[in-house]
Amino acid sequence: KAGVTQTPRYLIKTRGQQVTLSCSPISGHRSVSWYQQTPGQGLQFLFEYFSETQRNKGNFPGRFSGRQFSNSRSEMNVSTLELGDSALYLCASSLVKGYDYNEQFFGPGTRLTVL
Amino acid sequence: AQTVTQSQPEMSVQEAETVTLSCTYDTSESDYYLFWYKQPPSRQMILVIRQEAYKQQNATENRFSVNFQKAAKSFSLKISDSQLGDAAMYFCAYRRTNFGNEKLTFGTGTRLTIIP
Repeated sequence: KAGVTQTPRYLIKTRGQQVTLSCSPISGHRSVSWYQQTPGQGLQFLFEYFSETQRNKGNFPGRFSGRQFSNSRSEMNVSTLELGDSALYLCASSLVKGYDYNEQFFGPGTRLTVL
Repeated sequence: AQTVTQSQPEMSVQEAETVTLSCTYDTSESDYYLFWYKQPPSRQMILVIRQEAYKQQNATENRFSVNFQKAAKSFSLKISDSQLGDAAMYFCAYRRTNFGNEKLTFGTGTRLTIIP
């Protein structure tokens, strides 16, 4: 079974531009979560999508948005990029079947550099 | 809000020795999950071990075990017989147990170096 994939793996943008990152979950997984990882702030939760609906949202400005498609693939978008948006963006998927614990599996991340 | 604290930014251990990584957390919930994740250099984050708060027994996965002290809100990871492949960033994480909440709250991480 293929793992969580993220595209692109590396991205360089300039301030003011916008960017879209993609995450394909493990087949059958319905939940996709996004995290931002920076040396200064560590790992911070951005948002989580389940069945095309945003269920949880972290404390990030409205420039950060996301969506999920019917095949559970998810995209996140950052508009009006700032230097501080440079980070490793991780997504994680989980099965979410019933009320039992479901492990989250992480992708390799997209390394975004804003110049 | 829940918080997770890892007070050891870096640790090192001799190969084949034992090392313990510390984690404390704060929550008002009575039931939750705690995790240790491993992030090797330039590689994906993987789950090392999980503990359910309602279980008194400490979780164990091969060479990895935890010391879960619920009253003290402490959750340490012990790695026995350290191997070169254990070198990585280790993150302690918290998650509520309610259905529909996949959010993980992470600590700042501990960089573990294995000395050959």
